[in-house]
Amino acid sequence: AQTVTQSQPEMSVQEAETVTLSCTYDTSESDYYLFWYKQPPSRQMILVIRQEAYKQQNATENRFSVNFQKAAKSFSLKISDSQLGDAAMYFCAYRGASGGATNKLIFGTGTLLAVQP
Amino acid sequence: EAQVTQNPRYLITVTGKKLTVTCSQNMNHEYMSWYRQDPGLGLRQIYYSMNVEVTDKGDVPEGYKVSRKEKRNFPLILESPSPNQTSLYFCASSLVWNSPLHFGNGTRLTVT
Repeated sequence: AQTVTQSQPEMSVQEAETVTLSCTYDTSESDYYLFWYKQPPSRQMILVIRQEAYKQQNATENRFSVNFQKAAKSFSLKISDSQLGDAAMYFCAYRGASGGATNKLIFGTGTLLAVQP
Repeated sequence: EAQVTQNPRYLITVTGKKLTVTCSQNMNHEYMSWYRQDPGLGLRQIYYSMNVEVTDKGDVPEGYKVSRKEKRNFPLILESPSPNQTSLYFCASSLVWNSPLHFGNGTRLTVT
């Protein structure tokens, strides 16, 4: 069974600084997707970034980028120039892409990010 | 506006009193699913539906029922709620099974 591990329950960063959130996963599948979701106090689940496992290039979305290490099964999220609005719970998630897969996301336990002014 | 709408947003009930949490999407999505979120456990899938009249269990289906009689609606039914079902519930949908998921705004359920 696939698992997703986020080993940092809480993180803190100064405004305008850079922070990296860690995520590791375990799977025997060769084809899959990885995601980072942001959950602010409003409880919305907001997709931050998505990575296809077959792509070697790391995904980026403005100030958000990932470091995807397929062999190490690692998928960290880097937030550059942190802003107060980045304060939220961040979830790493996995989804299989092979035949017979459903759209089930397997989530990590989350990292609560605080941004200090 | 394209969205997934869950109701109610907050619900407090007592053990054993049947309840339904509604979920509706206006994007003509085939795939819909329910998750529950608990501290220290992340989100876990309860049930999913690949299309009308096609539903299947997720990882934590015990104590829940679902139905998919219409494409747009996917209600979550708790026939006899218990305190261990106190949680934050999310409905999500996608165009097809491998498209990006769109989440509702969540329902905070408390069972006393």
